[in-house]
Amino acid sequence: QSALTQSRSVSGSPGQSVTISCTGTSSDIGTYDFVSWYQHHPGRAPKLIIYDVSRRPSGVPYRFSGSKSGNTASLTISGLQVEDEADYYCCSHTGSYTWMFGGGTKVTVL
Amino acid sequence: EVQLVESGGGLLQPGGSLRLSCAASGFDFSNAWMHWVRQVPGKGLVWVSYINSDGSYTAYADSVKGRFTISRDNGKNTVFLQMNSLRAEDTALYYCARDVSYAMAAWGQGTTVIVS
Repeated sequence: QSALTQSRSVSGSPGQSVTISCTGTSSDIGTYDFVSWYQHHPGRAPKLIIYDVSRRPSGVPYRFSGSKSGNTASLTISGLQVEDEADYYCCSHTGSYTWMFGGGTKVTVL
Repeated sequence: EVQLVESGGGLLQPGGSLRLSCAASGFDFSNAWMHWVRQVPGKGLVWVSYINSDGSYTAYADSVKGRFTISRDNGKNTVFLQMNSLRAEDTALYYCARDVSYAMAAWGQGTTVIVS
């Protein structure tokens, strides 16, 4: 069980869009539409921002969107805001009620 | 309001045992799947274990299989993680989380386990 692959960091200026990719295999992202994304500010509990590949929980801003193509899932933050600076993790169901997280991506707002 | 409060963390020597608890409130716990997720300081989130709503099915990450046991008491709205044969690499902040649609929809603040 190795982690899903995420880029280590991405940055953008306020108002710009950034996209984080999450690459898995045909055994996880490629098979299941149970991909979720989490925002994690250090010292706080992680927060679910996308589930079922592209669905937003109530209260999550529209600027967060998710998609999937093949074995790769993506999170796009449109109209980047200062408060979006955080670590972001993807997660996929991997069958038999097991899950796997990505290594995390640090988003920096310039 | 959904609340998850972990407890039971501590400092212990390699080979030791510890039981973590997670007290839940604000939702229908007896019908909720639950997870434990951990984070080594400075590293990423790692899924550890899952339990279904009545406790009849559990699953574990390979790194803890055979050493950790997840369980629950629906009468007390609490999920547990029994950790045996602890290793230095089990040092982490342990979160419990409520599952909604195969995602971890709510998280506690975590409890710290240090094996040294």
